[in-house]
Amino acid sequence: AQSVSQHNHHVILSEAASLELGCNYSYGGTVNLFWYVQYPGQHLQLLLKYFSGDPLVKGIKGFEAEFIKSKFSFNLRKPSVQWSDTAEYFCAALDAGNMLTFGGGTRLMVKP
Amino acid sequence: KAGVTQTPRYLIKTRGQQVTLSCSPISGHRSVSWYQQTPGQGLQFLFEYFSETQRNKGNFPGRFSGRQFSNSRSEMNVSTLELGDSALYLCASSLESAAYEQYFGPGTRLTVT
Repeated sequence: AQSVSQHNHHVILSEAASLELGCNYSYGGTVNLFWYVQYPGQHLQLLLKYFSGDPLVKGIKGFEAEFIKSKFSFNLRKPSVQWSDTAEYFCAALDAGNMLTFGGGTRLMVKP
Repeated sequence: KAGVTQTPRYLIKTRGQQVTLSCSPISGHRSVSWYQQTPGQGLQFLFEYFSETQRNKGNFPGRFSGRQFSNSRSEMNVSTLELGDSALYLCASSLESAAYEQYFGPGTRLTVT
């Protein structure tokens, strides 16, 4: 069975700091990768996704992620975080069987 | 366009009882997936329905079941509730499958006492 690991469970940053959240997946075949975000009191929503092509994917709100196949990684980055980025971030992988597996989530707190 | 709606939003049940949760997807979406979210296990996939057929199933016991109606609305049922079933149950809809963007509902918070 596929697994997705997010090694940072809690991250605290000051505004304007750079962000990188780690995500590793276990599936060796063709995989589609996603980052979802859940802002306080809101529903989970899609931040960005990778299917194929350019391994550097740009999403909403200035977020981007890089797919590195050799490292089975799909890390999320943002050059300068804002207080409004405080949320829980979930990495997810979709395997060939169309089963979506989520990582454990990373809670990001941005101090103003 | 209305979002994914889930009813009820909160539910308290006793061990041994059964419960039915409902999900109405976004209009035009044919795929409905269910997830269980707990602090310890995170988000775990329960099952996915497409055109009234279960297309995928996660690693949950047979007490967890679901169905989808012709209008794409979906229900999930949990029989013989256990304390460990206390969780937030999320429904997500997408056009065709989870490969497309999934739109999540607010969830149903189930507490089993």
